[in-house]
Amino acid sequence: DAKTTQPPSMDCAEGRAANLPCNHSTISGNEYVYWYRQIHSQGPQYIIHGLKNNETNEMASLIITEDRKSSTLILPHATLRDTAVYYCIVRVTPNNDMRFGAGTRLTVKP
Amino acid sequence: SQTIHQWPATLVQPVGSPLSLECTVEGTSNPNLYWYRQAAGRGLQLLFYSVGIGQISSEVPQNLSASRPQDRQFILSSKKLLLSDSGFYLCAWTYPQGYEQYFGPGTRLTVT
Repeated sequence: DAKTTQPPSMDCAEGRAANLPCNHSTISGNEYVYWYRQIHSQGPQYIIHGLKNNETNEMASLIITEDRKSSTLILPHATLRDTAVYYCIVRVTPNNDMRFGAGTRLTVKP
Repeated sequence: SQTIHQWPATLVQPVGSPLSLECTVEGTSNPNLYWYRQAAGRGLQLLFYSVGIGQISSEVPQNLSASRPQDRQFILSSKKLLLSDSGFYLCAWTYPQGYEQYFGPGTRLTVT
């Protein structure tokens, strides 16, 4: 039970912003939203996480709605190397499990 | 800096043979350790996690087992492999109070 819903696939033009949505309507007050990505045949890579406020780092921005029932990961200027499966996960931190769903396969096209 | 190692990178084993996959973490102490499996084209399935030596929690009943004989060593085993055990096995670690989970390079297992 991944507790999140994501579209199975999305395309994005190189250089444009990629906006990846995630629904987590049953999120609890103490659960964080995490984003990871997995490039083919590699282990997942942490991108960003947040609780209530919007977050930004060198890789991406995370926008969480006020009711916390959904969020959007934004890659501001997508490159071909951003082609990957992106996973949205909710979990309590610290916790012992990280449950991944099917994710969104993002394809960045030239 | 911290690093996580997994070996072997690829493995082809016949049905009914035993399995031992090893994962080690360097540069940190008392990490939480995890084993995941990913079937072709699917998401990650959590198999086991450990918060300390000898402490293993199993998420999915199956013919696999895990052990943590040392603080930074996590081993995934099977006495008799099944065809359905084929997949991409990933080891990961977190700080005990940490936010990020760090993954190893993975082992691609094919059971024939």
